[in-house]
Amino acid sequence: TQLLEQSPQFLSIQEGENLTVYCNSSSVFSSLQWYRQEPGEGPVLLVTVVTGGEVKKLKRLTFQFGDARKDSSLHITAAQTGDTGLYLCAGGSLGGIQGAQKLVFGQGTRLTINP
Amino acid sequence: GAGVSQSPSNKVTEKGKDVELRCDPISGHTALYWYRQSLGQGLEFLIYFQGNSAPDKSGLPSDRFSAERTGGSVSTLTIQRTQQEDSAVYLCASSLQGGFNQPQHFGDGTRLSIL
Repeated sequence: TQLLEQSPQFLSIQEGENLTVYCNSSSVFSSLQWYRQEPGEGPVLLVTVVTGGEVKKLKRLTFQFGDARKDSSLHITAAQTGDTGLYLCAGGSLGGIQGAQKLVFGQGTRLTINP
Repeated sequence: GAGVSQSPSNKVTEKGKDVELRCDPISGHTALYWYRQSLGQGLEFLIYFQGNSAPDKSGLPSDRFSAERTGGSVSTLTIQRTQQEDSAVYLCASSLQGGFNQPQHFGDGTRLSIL
């Protein structure tokens, strides 16, 4: 069974600080996605990384896929209160009779940015 | 609407009753996924549809859970003889095609509470 572990599970920091969230596995994933979820809503895709070592930037957010495609990180620079939410990583996994592709989700990091 | 629509948004029922949850995906999206999310946790994969067929139903917790998709569009997830441990948010997502790198678009979920 492929598992993704996220750390930390909870993080509360002041506005303006930097932070990094980690997503780790012992398994290799074909790709990795990061989602953000706000209360009462479904997750919203932030980014997909597919190549080992790949780095993608989305404004103040920097996403990195590990060289071995087993881990990923999300770094936020100068955090803002609007960054508050549940951040989920999800890895692409083969499964099912026809090798259908599905996402395996981590348990999430609940981020709170205090004013 | 333009997004994934789920109904009902909230459902409270007594233990032992059957419930039916509905998902209306984005028009033209061939892939549809059901997930379960316990309070503040990550997403647990339940089942994946490609068109009307389900290549991967490996995540269904027991034979009390079933799902179908008709006309390549609307899907229903049925839970028979509900138990208290079935209480969770049930999320549906659709994507244009199946596959790791396709972004999944989520509905806001159905919050199911079993008394």
